[in-house]
Amino acid sequence: GAGVSQSPRYKVAKRGQDVALRCDPISGHVSLFWYQQALGQGPEFLTYFQNEAQLDKSGLPSDRFFAERPEGSVSTLKIQRTQQEDSAVYLCASSLGEGGFGYTFGSGTRLTVV
Amino acid sequence: LAKTTQPISMDSYEGQEVNITCSHNNIATNDYITWYQQFPSQGPRFIIQGYKTKVTNEVASLFIPADRKSSTLSLPRVSLSDTAVYYCLVGPGNRDDKIIFGKGTRLHILP
Repeated sequence: GAGVSQSPRYKVAKRGQDVALRCDPISGHVSLFWYQQALGQGPEFLTYFQNEAQLDKSGLPSDRFFAERPEGSVSTLKIQRTQQEDSAVYLCASSLGEGGFGYTFGSGTRLTVV
Repeated sequence: LAKTTQPISMDSYEGQEVNITCSHNNIATNDYITWYQQFPSQGPRFIIQGYKTKVTNEVASLFIPADRKSSTLSLPRVSLSDTAVYYCLVGPGNRDDKIIFGKGTRLHILP
């Protein structure tokens, strides 16, 4: 597609529920990143994939957070047993993998845990 | 990854030129300077990148002094639609790496 697509656009979850957030990167993009953005803050890095390999997951806040990209294209961020502090916008970005920080971001998924 | 420092917020008026300065004292030799723009309810959008001297595109100009320890994003003749958060980032130009965002600069354009 022309851009990075994320779904759903909005998600309301009850505390304790599991959620799955989807990212469709630009076709052919090697690198894929997930970020978490709280209200009024800059995006915080969660994890990075190069093709299907998860090269960096140092930003995942707890073992309740899990990300995968099994075929090197679509990625899913899963949050188990959601807590209120998980409420945030989750952003996905992709790039060709050539460096230079020319990443394309999606519009994000706004997760609200009630 | 080099840390950056930029003003938390700025106000300006429509039609003015706006300059946002970012300091990055620990920039590495192979680091590039990149600026992103973020509107409410959208993801950040790449606007300009440079290594040294001056870079200009249809959106902005980026001025980088010889020591590269700072950079200035210049937005000519701003309009209300330029109200956004602007992030200054520094990182390697030859490979992908996680971007460390700060709080950015909240730019308010007034009529």
